[in-house]
Amino acid sequence: DIQMTQSPSTLSASVGDRVTITCRASQSISTWLAWYLQKAGKAPKLLIYKASSLESGVPSRFSGTGSGTEFTLTISSLQPDDSATYYCHHYYSYPLTFGPGTKVDVK
Amino acid sequence: QVQLVQSGAAVKKPGASVRVSCKASGYTFTNYTIQWMRQAPGQRLEWMGWIDAGSGYTKYSQKFQDRVTITRDTSANTVYMDLTSLRSEDTAMYYCARWAGQRTFDTWGQGTLVTVSS
Repeated sequence: DIQMTQSPSTLSASVGDRVTITCRASQSISTWLAWYLQKAGKAPKLLIYKASSLESGVPSRFSGTGSGTEFTLTISSLQPDDSATYYCHHYYSYPLTFGPGTKVDVK
Repeated sequence: QVQLVQSGAAVKKPGASVRVSCKASGYTFTNYTIQWMRQAPGQRLEWMGWIDAGSGYTKYSQKFQDRVTITRDTSANTVYMDLTSLRSEDTAMYYCARWAGQRTFDTWGQGTLVTVSS
């Protein structure tokens, strides 16, 4: 199975800050990577797919880059509503696996 | 709009089985695959399996292969996930999600909490 790791596990930043989350895969997954946002008690929401494609309706302050084994999610200007846990997820092959999550706190 | 609505929370005893349903609306049910994930408290999401709602073909995670069955009722636009031989470690939120190919999971159900406790 392909293992996904994320760093950092938690971060705290202020409104307007630029925030970057890193996701690594245990083997190359090309660009078959998605990012989700999950708020407490809610289902995940798709932000980015195919490593860098922005899902319709998602604010343009979210962006994704990377290929192979290393990927990043960037929030260009953090907003209060961005407080959530962010997960990466590969879909290169089955079984699909998810990262452990990065909890973002907006100060 | 596209929507997946799951059945309500369930409390089960160890050794019992649970059925979670996922009713789809707002799109052609048989054109998509529905997948199931679960999330134990404080843990990452875990993929369980999927069903092609058109053909009924299924694929399961090896971890759950012996205990999970996913079926669908095309007349009711509903997918079912049955999990047997429940143990305390199965306590989790269970999610269904629509698979949109390159766009991965574009729509999720609201989640169903399954609690396994004696």
